[in-house]
Amino acid sequence: GQNIDQPTEMTATEGAIVQINCTYQTSGFNGLFWYQQHAGEAPTFLSYNVLDGLEEKGRFSSFLSRSKGYSYLLLKELQMKDSASYLCAVVDSNYQLIWGAGTKLIIKP
Amino acid sequence: GAGVSQSPRYKVAKRGQDVALRCDPISGHVSLFWYQQALGQGPEFLTYFQNEAQLDKSGLPSDRFFAERPEGSVSTLKIQRTQQEDSAVYLCASSLGEEGEQFFGPGTRLTVL
Repeated sequence: GQNIDQPTEMTATEGAIVQINCTYQTSGFNGLFWYQQHAGEAPTFLSYNVLDGLEEKGRFSSFLSRSKGYSYLLLKELQMKDSASYLCAVVDSNYQLIWGAGTKLIIKP
Repeated sequence: GAGVSQSPRYKVAKRGQDVALRCDPISGHVSLFWYQQALGQGPEFLTYFQNEAQLDKSGLPSDRFFAERPEGSVSTLKIQRTQQEDSAVYLCASSLGEEGEQFFGPGTRLTVL
């Protein structure tokens, strides 16, 4: 079967750094997405990785290791508005997006 | 429009009632996806269109669920004889091609009483 694992919930302090991990086992791999979803809102795109390595975009970075079936999302200089769920999604061999359950990130002042 | 729109935003239905949920994708986007999202869970794939062709409907939970996109633009997800377990947020997303970033609409929150 196909499986995406990420922690259910994480807590961090405003101004700090947090790393959200995602491990996956899917039938094929054609890329990995990270989306942010605020409560009651639609997911919004954060990053896309298809090759191994780190992709940096402002305060957010995403890392991929295809051989390990592993990715992480790194958030720096945390702000209160970063409180949201972060969803990891993998594109499988049928180009279908397989979604994790999401990691709820709580930012404390 | 500037983004994906969905209507209605909220729908309350009595069990057994039929509902129709509408999605207007971003103009020019070839691919359209429907997802079902339960509270605290990630989106679950329902079905996928490329233009007017429904290429994958493997995620539709039962034959009560039906989706169409007759002119390759607007799509409608219809649920017949709604059940309480159908209560969820239904998300629509579109993308330029089969791969690449999917842009999501605000979702329709369906509550079946």
